[in-house]
This record gives sequence, structure tokens and C-alpha cells, in this order.
Amino acid sequence: NAGVMQNPRHLVRRRGQEARLRCSPMKGHSHVYWYRQLPEEGLKFMVYLQKENIIDESGMPKERFSAEFPKEGPSILRIQQVVRGDSAAYFCASSPSTPPTEQYFGPGTRLTVT
Amino acid sequence: SQQGEEDPQALSIQEGENATMNCSYKTSINNLQWYRQNSGRGLVHLILIRSNEREKHSGRLRVTLDTSKKSSSLLITASRAADTASYFCATDGGSYIPTFGRGTSLIVHP
Repeated sequence: NAGVMQNPRHLVRRRGQEARLRCSPMKGHSHVYWYRQLPEEGLKFMVYLQKENIIDESGMPKERFSAEFPKEGPSILRIQQVVRGDSAAYFCASSPSTPPTEQYFGPGTRLTVT
Repeated sequence: SQQGEEDPQALSIQEGENATMNCSYKTSINNLQWYRQNSGRGLVHLILIRSNEREKHSGRLRVTLDTSKKSSSLLITASRAADTASYFCATDGGSYIPTFGRGTSLIVHP
């Protein structure tokens, strides 16, 4: 049973470009969470999704950021017009049921904005 | 602001020694979880302890929870070099989404 998969593992974008981060949850998991981690910081919750629904996006910046989890395919975190401050590690986690429950994390995508 | 805060920020010990990390939080919780993160990797779940539990064990890990003091501790006994990692506590703070602290960086010297 493959774990949570994220790609790409590393992404470099110039300021103003778009970044698309993908997350495939563990098989059988229909709950996905996105977190952002800055150096020497803990993880900051961004958004919680179930298939085709955004359940909680309280941690998501109001502008430039969006997330989706379509019926088929991976969950996508999209950052438009990236700025240097978006440089961080973005982690996706999945769970088999509604929280609170154990979350299984992917290896992360390291976004660098130049 | 962070719900859970780990203490100390960094801990350096010799292999074989015990390592104790603490987590304090501010609001009532349903559950508290501990995770480990190796450098450059995702988080790995260690233990979940519910608010009505006081202690939980898993192998060389022992977690305690004191809801009156709003604190938890993670004890790693007989540490190994492979335990070197950052350790995070995550609390649900009354909602259901875990909120992570800044972590304790543990270095175990062989």
C-alpha cells in the first residue's frame, strides 16, 4: 500500500509564475489536508478537503491560493503569482476518516521562489 | 498563534540516555498527538492520546497527558542515533484540525 505521494518534490518558480502542487492520498483515504512549513517552524494548517468539497480553508491565504480534490485524480494546491514569501515546504496528509484521527503525511514539496 | 509549544527547542544527548520533551497548550483539547520529522522528510505519527487518558506507551515511547496543567510529555527511553529528528506535538484545540508546535530538535550522539 503506497503512502501519500506528493509531486514534484522540488519546485522552483520565478516571481509571478504559478505553482501547482499535487498530492495523492493513501489508497482508501478520502480526507486530505495541506500544511505549510517555514524553516525552523512547525506546520501551519492551510486547508482540509474531502472528495469534491472544501471542508475548512481557514488557514489558506485569501488571495492567490486555491485547493481542490476532484472526484478523480490527486488533490491540487495552486499558488498563483508566487512571491518570495511563498518559499516553503508544503506537506499533504491524508486520513481514512474524519478528524480527529491519525494523519499520514507525504514527503512534501519544497517550493523555492526566485 | 501556536496552540502547542514544545520545550526544549533543542536537546542533545548520548545514545542510551533517555530523552524527555514537553508540550504545553492553551485551550481544551480532545486529543493530543506526537509526530516525528526526520530532516527534509514528512511527519510520521507516533502516538495519539485522548483527553481522558493519562499515559500511553508504544515501544520505547511513553506519553503522558495532564489536562489540569495543559501539558504533555514524550519520553524516549534508551535513545538511539536513529531517534535524531524533530518532534512535534499537535493539539486539536477544540476544533478537529491538529495544530502543530514549533518542535523539539533532538540529536542523539552515537
